[in-house]
Amino acid sequence: GAGVSQTPSNKVTEKGKYVELRCDPISGHTALYWYRQSLGQGPEFLIYFQGTGAADDSGLPNDRFFAVRPEGSVSTLKIQRTERGDSAVYLCASSQGQTETQYFGPGTRLLVL
Amino acid sequence: TQLLEQSPQFLSIQEGENLTVYCNSSSVFSSLQWYRQEPGEGPVLLVTVVTGGEVKKLKRLTFQFGDARKDSSLHITAAQPGDTGLYLCAGDYGNNRLAFGKGNQVVVIP
Repeated sequence: GAGVSQTPSNKVTEKGKYVELRCDPISGHTALYWYRQSLGQGPEFLIYFQGTGAADDSGLPNDRFFAVRPEGSVSTLKIQRTERGDSAVYLCASSQGQTETQYFGPGTRLLVL
Repeated sequence: TQLLEQSPQFLSIQEGENLTVYCNSSSVFSSLQWYRQEPGEGPVLLVTVVTGGEVKKLKRLTFQFGDARKDSSLHITAAQPGDTGLYLCAGDYGNNRLAFGKGNQVVVIP
């Protein structure tokens, strides 16, 4: 399909490990967003890219979290020294422009043991 | 901090009944969106409301934006089992960043 895809769909890791989560946006979409959805909560904004640059990273909880989008398409969310509290569904969304509708991927379910 | 409060958090009704869920905030948003999310999937946009007092209809779903642009409601007429899902409201607080509520979990029993 032509929707937003995220890999892996599920990731189980141990406390202290490093993880990378990948997002493939809809082709041609210039804006890309990462959100985190904890159990029983709505999605929480993490970071927003316009093209290759992070236009707003104010939602990243701390410096263990980092995201890149080197070619303005695929993005990777990186989490260092994972903690049990990082367990959540990480959602990616893309939009054609800054004010356009966001289309969400199915998410990556991260479980930190 | 949850900028948007949704109520009720959980609602179970019989097929054919009507229901209304609410989304309230102390903040004013430039626009407010309603999404539906099913298990294992990302949220899917249903509607965007922009103007205070605006009413939008999507088949059996009616969305209303409060006059002060701080609150919204979703009314479902003659609910069907296919309406079961988590309904999320989200406010745009700049640069298309969305602040979501916790959601209204709706279950329609056949």
